Amino acid sequence: EIVLTQSPATLSLSPGERATLSCWASQSISYYLAWYQHKPGQAPRLLIYDASIRATGIPARFSGSGSGTDFTLTISSLEPEDFAVYYCQQRSNWPITFGQGTRLEIK
Amino acid sequence: EVQLLESGGGLVQPGGSLRLSCAASGFTFSSYAMTWVRQAPGKGLEWVSSISGSGDSTYYADSVKGRFTFSRDNSKNTLYLQMNSLRAEDRAVYYCAKEPYETTGYFYDYWGQGTLVTVSS
Repeated sequence: EIVLTQSPATLSLSPGERATLSCWASQSISYYLAWYQHKPGQAPRLLIYDASIRATGIPARFSGSGSGTDFTLTISSLEPEDFAVYYCQQRSNWPITFGQGTRLEIK
Repeated sequence: EVQLLESGGGLVQPGGSLRLSCAASGFTFSSYAMTWVRQAPGKGLEWVSSISGSGDSTYYADSVKGRFTFSRDNSKNTLYLQMNSLRAEDRAVYYCAKEPYETTGYFYDYWGQGTLVTVSS
């Protein structure tokens, strides 16, 4: 099973700041990584797939990069609605696995 | 507009059974693989099971293999997750999610709001 490790567990920032979230895979997963945003009581939302492709309707302030084992989700300038939990997910091997999440909170 | 509506959650005793449903609309249902993902209280997302658009291929997490059965009725645009021999650790919000292709093993572009399963005596 491929283990995804997200860092940091919690990130405290202010609106307008830049957020950098990391996801490390226990073995190479090529570019087969997706990022999701999840707010309490809501459905998770796909942000990025295949490491760097923004999903339909996702603002340009969200970007993804990386390949192999190291991946990054960057939010260039935080909006109030961006404070949520973010998960990475790999599709390189079964079973599909998610990272444990990064909580992005308002400082 | 893609819509996914889960139902069937509730309280069940350990060892009991429950069947979750997910009604889909707004897309050609049989053309897309579907998946169940769960979230235990205070925990992260956990993949549970996936099924191809035709229903011919299914995959299960080791934690549910042999206890859960994932099926779909393409004539009714509905998914089913039959959960047997339920354990306390199965307590979670269960989400159904759509994949972008007929074959499974990708990512999840649309999700439902989830249904809560509680396993307790």
